[in-house]
Amino acid sequence: AQKVTQAQTEISVVEKEDVTLDCVYETRDTTYYLFWYKQPPSGELVFLIRRNSFDEQNEISGRYSWNFQKSTSSFNFTITASQVVDSAVYFCALSEAEGSTLGRLYFGRGTQLTVWP
Amino acid sequence: EAQVTQNPRYLITVTGKKLTVTCSQNMNHEYMSWYRQDPGLGLRQIYYSMNVEVTDKGDVPEGYKVSRKEKRNFPLILESPSPNQTSLYFCASSLRHEYEQYFGPGTRLTVT
Repeated sequence: AQKVTQAQTEISVVEKEDVTLDCVYETRDTTYYLFWYKQPPSGELVFLIRRNSFDEQNEISGRYSWNFQKSTSSFNFTITASQVVDSAVYFCALSEAEGSTLGRLYFGRGTQLTVWP
Repeated sequence: EAQVTQNPRYLITVTGKKLTVTCSQNMNHEYMSWYRQDPGLGLRQIYYSMNVEVTDKGDVPEGYKVSRKEKRNFPLILESPSPNQTSLYFCASSLRHEYEQYFGPGTRLTVT
């Protein structure tokens, strides 16, 4: 079973629409870390956010916001008023901090977001 | 400039010919890791290193070797490459495993 599931393979929106990228994770650890990364068409991987398992406070950074809910094991990412430059593949990732998997990093398969002008 | 460098960026080779992809970071990071990216599969961890002389297997270690003799370097070795190792490879480093990773630019490997 996948540790990180991004059920949406591809999403297309028109500029200025809001869009939410879903991420569901699976872990038995009490301590863990969640991340989002962006991979634009140029190919590099860019860090967006990190959240530890003890901090469920939602975060907003400009047009980006993240909703972390331990009860549903989800860490969803919303882009408000999307722009063409937001077009990229977005990856959610989980790092476990206990036991034999300490240090392992699990990525979801990614969501390709296309924003049309 | 803080960065992770990988070399080569592109490599076409033949089955069975040993190769090494180098990875170096200048941020004094403890944690380093290798990933491969394949269409529809996302990024999968090959090997990781929590510190010098400490390496562990990730999800897909078969056919790969690594070593961490120095803090800054983490080379990926393919002793006998096969076509199913054709992929895009990323090296990454972070202060410690629980922090955000800084990725190299990627190495596009084709094994014929």
